Amino acid sequence: QQPVQSPQAVILREGEDAVINCSSSKALYSVHWYRQKHGEAPVFLMILLKGGEQKGHEKISASFNEKKQQSSLYLTASQLSYSGTYFCGTERSSGTYKYIFGTGTRLKVLA
Amino acid sequence: DAGVTQSPTHLIKTRGQHVTLRCSPISGHKSVSWYQQVLGQGPQFIFQYYEKEERGRGNFPDRFSARQFPNYSSELNVNALLLGDSALYLCASISWPGGGTTNTGELFFGEGSRLTVL
Repeated sequence: QQPVQSPQAVILREGEDAVINCSSSKALYSVHWYRQKHGEAPVFLMILLKGGEQKGHEKISASFNEKKQQSSLYLTASQLSYSGTYFCGTERSSGTYKYIFGTGTRLKVLA
Repeated sequence: DAGVTQSPTHLIKTRGQHVTLRCSPISGHKSVSWYQQVLGQGPQFIFQYYEKEERGRGNFPDRFSARQFPNYSSELNVNALLLGDSALYLCASISWPGGGTTNTGELFFGEGSRLTVL
């Protein structure tokens, strides 16, 4: 039931681009993206609602394809500060509410 | 504005003891949720509360309970602690950008309470 993220880990040089994917076996109505640095709490990046919309945040953007039950996070011209673990998250609201995080992607940006 | 505050930040307990963790949401937010994060894994949903009512519960045993107070602060209680309960416990304050007309909210996390069970 947990959304699966790929890749599990990625190492980049500053300035390189990366794509992180999030796939669910269940219908997605919205997708959230978070970044968590070591020893810190997750930080909300963006939310995508169904409709295939794409949103952006600085040099980080994301897309959401509800038909494929997938979302992708795009990091362009990566900076050292982008290092951390990225999680997608989704809500389940059938009857009772649940929130489920994806499996996570560890990203390391090197100078 | 103050962010989400959690207390205590660190605590050590022994097996069988009880623990209470506290969370104050962002001012104006009426919903909080609790998560358990074991080292190296993603956060696992425990509870969600909105307007003092439980709106959701994850797959955790009945040893875990929570409540939300009239001022929207919340407590997470864990009884009969086990070694496996050692984790970072995160509280999130939830903003509903749609003003309650959508089912999806933005989660703002506190720094967490790190529980070690010996």
